Amino acid sequence: TQLLEQSPQFLSIQEGENLTVYCNSSSVFSSLQWYRQEPGEGPVLLVTVVTGGEVKKLKRLTFQFGDARKDSSLHITAAQPGDTGLYLCADSGAGSYQLTFGKGTKLSVIP
Amino acid sequence: GAGVSQSPSNKVTEKGKDVELRCDPISGHTALYWYRQRLGQGLEFLIYFQGNSAPDKSGLPSDRFSAERTGESVSTLTIQRTQQEDSAVYLCASSLDGSKETQYFGPGTRLLVL
Repeated sequence: TQLLEQSPQFLSIQEGENLTVYCNSSSVFSSLQWYRQEPGEGPVLLVTVVTGGEVKKLKRLTFQFGDARKDSSLHITAAQPGDTGLYLCADSGAGSYQLTFGKGTKLSVIP
Repeated sequence: GAGVSQSPSNKVTEKGKDVELRCDPISGHTALYWYRQRLGQGLEFLIYFQGNSAPDKSGLPSDRFSAERTGESVSTLTIQRTQQEDSAVYLCASSLDGSKETQYFGPGTRLLVL
């Protein structure tokens, strides 16, 4: 059974600071997805990465996928209060519709 | 367009009672998923419906859990004889089809079993 470990579990920072959160898998990712879940809402897909070494940018968010496809990082530049939420990584297994999720990193950005 | 909707948004029940949770997927989406999110945990897959195929029930934690879907529309998740460990957020998602299409999540039903 694949295990996804996310770190840190909690992160509280001041507005304007930079931060990085991590996702590590016990096995090679098939297709790694990052989601953000705001309080009282369902997760919303931010990005999907498939190729080892891939880097994707979404405004102030930069997603990196490890060469071995077993780890990923999400870097946020100049965090804003609107970035507050639970950041989840997930893997869609090969040929599968089931998503396996990590426990998430709970980010609080203080104005 | 309208997203995935779920009802009720919150449900408080007594241990031993049955509860029904409802999900309305995005119109035209043939695939529907139920997940459970316990406090401090990631999402756990429960069940998957795809068109008229037999559902994948492999994630249901016990026989107290069941789900139905009417055609390619509404789904209900039923929990019988609720236990305190059933307290969680139950999330529904839908996708255009099941082949690695993006899953769109509803806001969830927060279930508290006293």
